[in-house]
Amino acid sequence: DAEITQSPRHKITETGRQVTLACHQTWNHNNMFWYRQDLGHGLRLIHYSYGVQDTNKGEVSDGYSVSRSNTEDLPLTLESAASSQTSVYFCASSVGASVTQYFGPGTRLTVL
Amino acid sequence: QQQVKQSPQSLIVQKGGISIINCAYENTAFDYFPWYQQFPGKGPALLIAIRPDVSEKKEGRFTISFNKSAKQFSLHIMDSQPGDSATYFCAASPGNNNDMRFGAGTRLTVKP
Repeated sequence: DAEITQSPRHKITETGRQVTLACHQTWNHNNMFWYRQDLGHGLRLIHYSYGVQDTNKGEVSDGYSVSRSNTEDLPLTLESAASSQTSVYFCASSVGASVTQYFGPGTRLTVL
Repeated sequence: QQQVKQSPQSLIVQKGGISIINCAYENTAFDYFPWYQQFPGKGPALLIAIRPDVSEKKEGRFTISFNKSAKQFSLHIMDSQPGDSATYFCAASPGNNNDMRFGAGTRLTVKP
């Protein structure tokens, strides 16, 4: 079955370290997204991509980067992790012009 | 500044009752309004969505009511069941632009 997966599911890291969260989808969707979820804020868009080699900044992109080298993967990198980046991160994908987004199971990141 | 405001933050309803969650938006460019349901430890999943050309959409026990002039929309869950206990997010997106903005979420508890 087609799906969207995230790894790791849980991660603890230290301030200043570089961290990469993986997102992989097997639907062949063009569009992929990264969100962070915090209490009182709902989900906020970090970065998104409409296809290979395309990346765009979202609402809260500072301190994060993404790259899209193939259709299936959109890794999210925290260049120098900060305690304010402790959050639950969700990857999502959608096909073509459709706005229906399908979410992965999430990665809980703790920055100490 | 949150572009989509959601209320209440939490809601407790008796089994068989009606659950109502409200959202308001400011950006008139929004023209796609989905509701997502999220269970603990899972990613959000699309529940129901509406476009502003209709004032109401019903799918089973779930209904979206949309008031374009007031820039408000709401989710009604009829005959609420304990299995409906989850966090619900409203969202809004402009056109085919996948820049989705989410409300802060409502934690619904349905008591048996």
